[in-house]
Amino acid sequence: QGQLQESGPGLVKPSQTLSLTCTVSNASINSDTFYWSWIRQPAGKGLEWIGRIQASGSTNYNPSLKSRVTISVDTSKNQFSLKVRSVTAADTAVYFCAKESDFWSSSLYDYYYYMDVWGKGTTVTVSS
Amino acid sequence: SYVLTQPPSVSVAPGQTARITCGGSYIGSKSVHWYQQRPGQAPMLVVYDDTDRPSGIPERFSGLNSGNTATLTISRVEAADEADYYCQVWDSDHWVFGGGTKVTVL
Repeated sequence: QGQLQESGPGLVKPSQTLSLTCTVSNASINSDTFYWSWIRQPAGKGLEWIGRIQASGSTNYNPSLKSRVTISVDTSKNQFSLKVRSVTAADTAVYFCAKESDFWSSSLYDYYYYMDVWGKGTTVTVSS
Repeated sequence: SYVLTQPPSVSVAPGQTARITCGGSYIGSKSVHWYQQRPGQAPMLVVYDDTDRPSGIPERFSGLNSGNTATLTISRVEAADEADYYCQVWDSDHWVFGGGTKVTVL
């Protein structure tokens, strides 16, 4: 199944870059059947997907965040990372990383993904 | 962009049935996943591909998806089911979450 652990600064100043890393254990980040996602959740609010990456480097991003976000992968360390540029208070949230596994949809006759393993989350506050 | 609409809250007595809807345009043509998030915890997958349950999820959790509405049903509700529930779909090149539904067990 795997375990995921987020790490990074808990406090970032406005206009700076938020950087987080997700360390994957008991699963190979190199597998082409997985994607690796970042999701965030402001206090008291819902989940917002940020983006994802596969070991090959293939990425997808939330259209609303795409201009400020970069997700990268380090297969040698079994880690993937998130950078959010030019942060504001609106970027204050709990940030989760998650593993996506593929499955065959018997109704849609194609492969899809779901998020089957999540990290515990890390709180990032944007404040001067 | 694609929007998923959930009711903000659902209240249910123990032992009764809770139904949580997730509305979206032609959502019946998509694969819908449901996540449970207890307070202070990370979300957990409870139903995937409209109707399937991951290993370890009780049969009390079931899903349907047709037309413009997907539904998560929790039968014989227990106190431990009190949580926020989110639906999710993949829309062309990105994930979309519903706004979440808080299930309160009375």
